[in-house]
Amino acid sequence: EPEVTQTPSHQVTQMGQEVILRCVPISNHLYFYWYRQILGQKVEFLVSFYNNEISEKSEIFDDQFSVERPDGSNFTLKIRSTKLEDSAMYFCASRGQGIDGYTFGSGTRLTVV
Amino acid sequence: AQTVTQSQPEMSVQEAETVTLSCTYDTSESDYYLFWYKQPPSRQMILVIRQEAYKQQNATENRFSVNFQKAAKSFSLKISDSQLGDAAMYFCACLNAGNNRKLIWGLGTSLAVNP
Repeated sequence: EPEVTQTPSHQVTQMGQEVILRCVPISNHLYFYWYRQILGQKVEFLVSFYNNEISEKSEIFDDQFSVERPDGSNFTLKIRSTKLEDSAMYFCASRGQGIDGYTFGSGTRLTVV
Repeated sequence: AQTVTQSQPEMSVQEAETVTLSCTYDTSESDYYLFWYKQPPSRQMILVIRQEAYKQQNATENRFSVNFQKAAKSFSLKISDSQLGDAAMYFCACLNAGNNRKLIWGLGTSLAVNP
């Protein structure tokens, strides 16, 4: 079964450092998402991406965040200057034209120290 | 704006028994989808079951079934013959049928299964 792959599975970074979280969506999918889950809290939508541009972003997704699809396979989330409160599980998801196949990756646990 | 409410932070069930997890939602959309996701300690997000709002018939996947009450905006998950491996966080989520199709999530219910 096709999978969404996220790397790394766990990343520890110093406050103020830049991090890039990587995702390889399912190959024929068109829509891409990042969600965040702070420990013990609900999952929150960050951003959606379609046709090489952001289609929607939440209030959380401020200027410190950016997304990119640098080639035909990767979809990345960059946090420019990490804060302690950025510590969370970050999930990438992708889907095709419809709802079927809306698939999540296994997540990247980001710890900011 | 869409909201999803799970009013049971924690639930427990005896192995082999049945448990129902509650979820209510609010949306102004006429076309939407509802989901239950399971998150085990590994924190991976696993789809349990999905319901299209336009379908009257309740979705069923093996031991998992839903009670979808559209007028009441209620979407509960029933787990029959509970197994130890069912222990996890369960999240209810709502997805609008517009172009963007982002998921709006509840706070989750932590389910313990007692042997």
